Amino acid sequence: GAVVSQHPSWVICKSGTSVKIECRSLDFQATTMFWYRQFPKQSLMLMATSNEGSKATYEQGVEKDKFLINHASLTLSTLTVTSAHPEDSSFYICSARDRLLGTGELFFGEGSRLTVL
Amino acid sequence: QKEVEQDPGPLSVPEGAIVSLNCTYSNSAFQYFMWYRQYSRKGPELLMYTYSSGNKEDGRFTAQVDKSSKYISLFIRDSQPSDSATYLCAMSSPGGGNKLTFGTGTQLKVEL
Repeated sequence: GAVVSQHPSWVICKSGTSVKIECRSLDFQATTMFWYRQFPKQSLMLMATSNEGSKATYEQGVEKDKFLINHASLTLSTLTVTSAHPEDSSFYICSARDRLLGTGELFFGEGSRLTVL
Repeated sequence: QKEVEQDPGPLSVPEGAIVSLNCTYSNSAFQYFMWYRQYSRKGPELLMYTYSSGNKEDGRFTAQVDKSSKYISLFIRDSQPSDSATYLCAMSSPGGGNKLTFGTGTQLKVEL
């Protein structure tokens, strides 16, 4: 199946710093990628839809200036958590759809666990 | 009321048992249904994908969709300890901008 790679898988940072998380589709092209956030024992909450070559679409309640998304190519989207605070500590997961498959299947990355001290 | 309801469990079964996992939904616009398996601290892995009412089988897994009742199920036959994980149902609509709506996930433990 299609592979989506996320990096880093685990990061610890100090409060006030910024953290960048990368999401790559390794063997397919994705015009659209999705960023989710997951708290312990809770389901995935969609944060934003990342569109290649255009601005991301954010879900209601998600601060676009805090969670910067860049989708510079068909295989890479990045999420930058700016001025991170302890409440931003969470599991961030990206997903992507193979633009050539024509189905609704989404492939997920392994996730990135962010801990803000 | 949430759009997708899923019993969070935990569900504990003996090895070899048949497991039934279920979700109900309220949005009749949902047309695509998926089941994901998520191991602890990992991203979700797609198990089954269906878009019509009825059954779809893949190995030990069977996905069932009943659109009239707005009810979907995942059956796992001959369950194994390696099946221990959280199972998430997800669904989307044709006009939903490709967004998935997830259930809360059911935690399954298969014991030896």
